[in-house]
Amino acid sequence: QKEVEQDPGPLSVPEGAIVSLNCTYSNSAFQYFMWYRQYSRKGPELLMYTYSSGNKEDGRFTAQVDKSSKYISLFIRDSQPSDSATYLCALTAGGYNKLIFGAGTRLAVHP
Amino acid sequence: DAGITQSPRHKVTETGTPVTLRCHQTENHRYMYWYRQDPGHGLRLIHYSYGVKDTDKGEVSDGYSVSRSKTEDFLLTLESATSSQTSVYFCAISRDRESGELFFGEGSRLTVL
Repeated sequence: QKEVEQDPGPLSVPEGAIVSLNCTYSNSAFQYFMWYRQYSRKGPELLMYTYSSGNKEDGRFTAQVDKSSKYISLFIRDSQPSDSATYLCALTAGGYNKLIFGAGTRLAVHP
Repeated sequence: DAGITQSPRHKVTETGTPVTLRCHQTENHRYMYWYRQDPGHGLRLIHYSYGVKDTDKGEVSDGYSVSRSKTEDFLLTLESATSSQTSVYFCAISRDRESGELFFGEGSRLTVL
């Protein structure tokens, strides 16, 4: 069993839709939870960062962590074609930023 | 954009040949990482460095070695490339050890025939 499971998609939605992206994990030692966005043939870039359980909002993006269920989510409101990318969840138990990444979900937002 | 340059960006080589990928940063960050990205696996950590001459293994280090003789350069070497090492390799840097914020390079696409 992988430490982090993420549905690879692809997920195709119309512009303006609310998008929900999710990861589940097995290691209860994970304390730091990140979402990275990766455009085609580019390196990933950090989108959201949360520590422990709870919600964090940044503009159209909301990251949610439920440690009791070992489940993390990223919500995108009013999705735009520019949001079309692969979204990777990343987790770490701390120390040296040794991130464990999910496989990534490919999102396509069509006009 | 973070000042990270990977070279070469594309390389095709044959099984059994040595390959070195270079990561150069201009940010003076202490921590540097090499990841590989494969379909269905996401990014997996190969090796990382927490200072000049200080390196450690990651999740998938077999067949790879690294060196860091200067703050700005982190080299990844495949001593004898195999087809299973065909992948996209990403270098990343971080200014601290726990924020989770890594800045990635553009990637080096390696094909081993």
